[in-house]
Amino acid sequence: EAGVAQSPRYKIIEKRQSVAFWCNPISGHATLYWYQQILGQGPKLLIQFQNNGVVDDSQLPKDRFSAERLKGVDSTLKIQPAKLEDSAVYLCASSLEAGHELGAFFGQGTRLTVV
Amino acid sequence: AQSVAQPEDQVNVAEGNPLTVKCTYSVSGNPYLFWYVQYPNRGLQFLLKYITGDNLVKGSYGFEAEFNKSQTSFHLKKPSALVSDSALYFCAVRVPPGEGSYIPTFGRGTSLIVHP
Repeated sequence: EAGVAQSPRYKIIEKRQSVAFWCNPISGHATLYWYQQILGQGPKLLIQFQNNGVVDDSQLPKDRFSAERLKGVDSTLKIQPAKLEDSAVYLCASSLEAGHELGAFFGQGTRLTVV
Repeated sequence: AQSVAQPEDQVNVAEGNPLTVKCTYSVSGNPYLFWYVQYPNRGLQFLLKYITGDNLVKGSYGFEAEFNKSQTSFHLKKPSALVSDSALYFCAVRVPPGEGSYIPTFGRGTSLIVHP
């Protein structure tokens, strides 16, 4: 079974620039999550989608972060404008069901460095 | 508010010896507890979970974890460590549906190093 695909793997941008990450979940997984993992910390959930609807985005900094999941499959996470403190690994995960357990399948992540 | 503590940044163990990676949690209500492993340059992989039932949960790769409600702990264990078990381990907690926000909280992670 193919895993969760993310791109790019690495991205370096200057502060105040914009960046977008892409995620393709496991086929058939209705729930998709975006996490932010800052070096030395555990992953923090940013947003959770159920199909193409947002279930929870209470921890998403909405002044600069946005995410969408068109057609309930692929998802993009955007940061505009980026700040130095956004440097982190952005993980996408997917699962069959929502609300009962964490996304059990994670992608390799996109490592963002803001300089 | 819910929280997870992994008191050890690093655990060192010799191959063949038993290993324990500690996790304690704080949550109002009944916890859902999870362990994930992160190998270098790989995404997190689910190891096991406790939702209800038997306090001893068995998971992937020979790992198991014991839920102890009185001590609010969910320590990860393996009877005989392998060098290939060397990785970063994360404990996570959330509350069940209907008991509040189910945004999961992860610990900071514990680096397990298994020496040959």
